[in-house]
Amino acid sequence: GESVGLHLPTLSVQEGDNSIINCAYSNSASDYFIWYKQESGKGPQFIIDIRSNMDKRQGQRVTVLLNKTVKHLSLQIAATQPGDSAVYFCAEGHQGAQKLVFGQGTRLTINP
Amino acid sequence: GAVVSQHPSWVICKSGTSVKIECRSLDFQATTMFWYRQFPKQSLMLMATSNEGSKATYEQGVEKDKFLINHASLTLSTLTVTSAHPEDSSFYICSARDQVNTDTQYFGPGTRLTVL
Repeated sequence: GESVGLHLPTLSVQEGDNSIINCAYSNSASDYFIWYKQESGKGPQFIIDIRSNMDKRQGQRVTVLLNKTVKHLSLQIAATQPGDSAVYFCAEGHQGAQKLVFGQGTRLTINP
Repeated sequence: GAVVSQHPSWVICKSGTSVKIECRSLDFQATTMFWYRQFPKQSLMLMATSNEGSKATYEQGVEKDKFLINHASLTLSTLTVTSAHPEDSSFYICSARDQVNTDTQYFGPGTRLTVL
């Protein structure tokens, strides 16, 4: 069945370093991908999205890369800060389907 | 923009009672809202998709008579947990899709339900 998974459940990085969070998806029909950040006790917060006609999109300190050949998605966070500590979820969707499919999440911890 | 609120943010109730959770899109109209539940250290599990003015579509395994969903307007959806039991204790989160940008879901802050 459809699934969106993450390569690493936890990731620890030093403050100021760059972080890369990975995500694999299995539905080749997916054409829309989103990264969400969820802090403890809060709802997911939209970070950045990308459509399948692109392979890279940049935001403020974040970059999402999409490799459709290997069905791989990544989120790069530049110069990580303590406030970046959270669980990050990738989600996939496709035209014609209302719902998103979420991955299992990666907990990012920033070490001082 | 794209702010979604939930009320209450937390609730404690006795077993057997019903609890209503509200989800509102504050600055946009949402034809579709979604209800999720999340257990500790787990991902979001979609419970149902709620379309304004029509019946909700429930995911497999979710009891429609236990989790009543109403989406009476373009800015409000409610989830009622009927005859709540301790196993219903969870973090319930709603999301809403903007009518204009129909792909992105914006999430509410969640409601922590504890059933004693």
